[in-house]
Amino acid sequence: GAGVSQSPSNKVTEKGKDVELRCDPISGHTALYWYRQSLGQGLEFLIYFQGNSAPDKSGLPSDRFSAERTGGSVSTLTIQRTQQEDSAVYLCASSLAGTGAHEQYFGPGTRLTVT
Amino acid sequence: AQSVTQLDSQVPVFEEAPVELRCNYSSSVSVYLFWYVQYPNQGLQLLLKYLSGSTLVKGINGFEAEFNKSQTSFHLRKPSVHISDTAEYFCAVSASNSGNTPLVFGKGTRLSVIA
Repeated sequence: GAGVSQSPSNKVTEKGKDVELRCDPISGHTALYWYRQSLGQGLEFLIYFQGNSAPDKSGLPSDRFSAERTGGSVSTLTIQRTQQEDSAVYLCASSLAGTGAHEQYFGPGTRLTVT
Repeated sequence: AQSVTQLDSQVPVFEEAPVELRCNYSSSVSVYLFWYVQYPNQGLQLLLKYLSGSTLVKGINGFEAEFNKSQTSFHLRKPSVHISDTAEYFCAVSASNSGNTPLVFGKGTRLSVIA
């Protein structure tokens, strides 16, 4: 079946602009995660949605970052007033809920470049 | 909280030689352990995972890993590598006592297979 999809695949934006990154998880997956992959920092957790529970926002680096998940499916990560240090690949992953079902399926990522 | 250390940032190895990529973790709770592979310009793909049971786990593409609780290690091995194994490999953990949780990744090991 279809995997996790993300759009756009690449985004170049000017410093100070807002950007929106989209993630379509695998159908039926109730857990959705956003990670950031940048040089020197590896993969960092940003935010996690599980069903109808309040999201775990503990990984968001600043209040310029926010995310929502509408209808328990598609998620949008928004970065306001982008800075050069926001340049990175943003990865989305989804997984089934339930004990032991911990495999996360990753999308191809969105490469964000802030100029 | 959990943390993961991948001791080697880069590992060059000749084709058909064996390879071991090292991973150590720290955690105050029981964990699940994963190895993911990232080919150039692609997303992350699960190689193998340890949830419980046998400490020797076999994954795709001839890779295997052994969970060693006393040494808090989960090293990845392959007896004979191919050029196509050239990629970045990430070790990751998640807490096993609270359902789905975000993954904590190591900084990755770049495996370069030399012809």
